[in-house]
Amino acid sequence: DGGITQSPKYLFRKEGQNVTLSCEQNLNHDAMYWYRQDPGQGLRLIYYSQIVNDFQKGDIAEGYSVSREKKESFPLTVTSAQKNPTAFYLCASSILGGGRPQHFGDGTRLSIL
Amino acid sequence: KNEVEQSPQNLTAQEGEFITINCSYSVGISALHWLQQHPGGGIVSLFMLSSGKKKHGRLIATINIQEKHSSLHITASHPRDSAVYICAVSRTDKLIFGTGTRLQVFP
Repeated sequence: DGGITQSPKYLFRKEGQNVTLSCEQNLNHDAMYWYRQDPGQGLRLIYYSQIVNDFQKGDIAEGYSVSREKKESFPLTVTSAQKNPTAFYLCASSILGGGRPQHFGDGTRLSIL
Repeated sequence: KNEVEQSPQNLTAQEGEFITINCSYSVGISALHWLQQHPGGGIVSLFMLSSGKKKHGRLIATINIQEKHSSLHITASHPRDSAVYICAVSRTDKLIFGTGTRLQVFP
């Protein structure tokens, strides 16, 4: 079955440490997205990519970095510059074109030790 | 003011009840999406609408483009419908999300 796999499901970070969240899709989608979800707020876009080796900042990119070396993979690094990283992170993918449905992974919950 | 507003924020129902969740938006859109987020966190796309009405099983979604309003209806609600329902609108190549409606259906 095609889908999006996020790992790990739970992640703990020490202060000053960078961590990388994995997102892999086998849907052959060109576009991939990273969102952050906080209690009481809607999902907010961190970064998105529409083609390999290219990506754009979303609304809250500060303190995060991404890469898109392969079509299937879009890892997100939460750097030590992100002062409030505790949140639920969701990865999504879609075919190109405005308004297309996005397929979501099951998310990674990041907490600070 | 958020560009996408949902109401109510929380909703409790008895099994079998008819449920309506509302979504209003203030920006131009190419489509509107209804999503379901399960307690574990995973999100499933339920509907994508650009006009009119769509039905899938016990779920019905409608949109009024002129009024910038959409509704999600659940007929004969069941405890397994308990989830967070999220409205999102497509604007260029991005989605803008509402804050979600938490639905609990009791037996």
